[in-house]
Amino acid sequence: AQSVTQLGSHVSVSEGALVLLRCNYSSSVPPYLFWYVQYPNQGLQLLLKYTSAATLVKGINGFEAEFKKSETSFHLTKPSAHMSDAAEYFCAVSGRRDDKIIFGKGTRLHILP
Amino acid sequence: DVKVTQSSRYLVKRTGEKVFLECVQDMDHENMFWYRQDPGLGLRLIYFSYDVKMKEKGDIPEGYSVSREKKERFSLILESASTNQTSMYLCASSGGGQGNYGYTFGSGTRLTVV
Repeated sequence: AQSVTQLGSHVSVSEGALVLLRCNYSSSVPPYLFWYVQYPNQGLQLLLKYTSAATLVKGINGFEAEFKKSETSFHLTKPSAHMSDAAEYFCAVSGRRDDKIIFGKGTRLHILP
Repeated sequence: DVKVTQSSRYLVKRTGEKVFLECVQDMDHENMFWYRQDPGLGLRLIYFSYDVKMKEKGDIPEGYSVSREKKERFSLILESASTNQTSMYLCASSGGGQGNYGYTFGSGTRLTVV
């Protein structure tokens, strides 16, 4: 079975600072991993996904994530935060091609001026 | 781009009413899902469907039912709305190989039951 844990329900960073949102997964098979973003009163939008190709995955809006099998992690980073990055971010995992995707509980990112 | 359209962004209904939430996708996707989202609880799967006229219970199906008469449309039904069903409802769809393609979400329906 697959599961995902997001560390920190709220994270605050200053504008221009590094963004780091943490995600650890558990999977009995090689996982597929995703990050989604949700802006206020919107649905979820796919930021990036890892599907066993390159371990460093680049997504939209300058975000990237690195798959680390030894640490069972898939942390999301962005070198320089922008006010428009304020949103809720969801990490998600799937175990096989036809499996349902399991979502974490989300991390709300606050950007301080 | 795949588009998933939820018919209402905001709804206010009275306790005991029968409520229909509609979701339509335009990319011939086999798989469709209904989630509810509440603060601190993340996304919880209510029902899903892998084909027309097919439905499966998710993690919290009580008080809900679904209908999928056409491939592109997946409706969520609150048989008798209650205040504890006040929530954000999200519809999603995916093609075959959902596990590695991911889901496409609609914009959500914020339902308030008074």
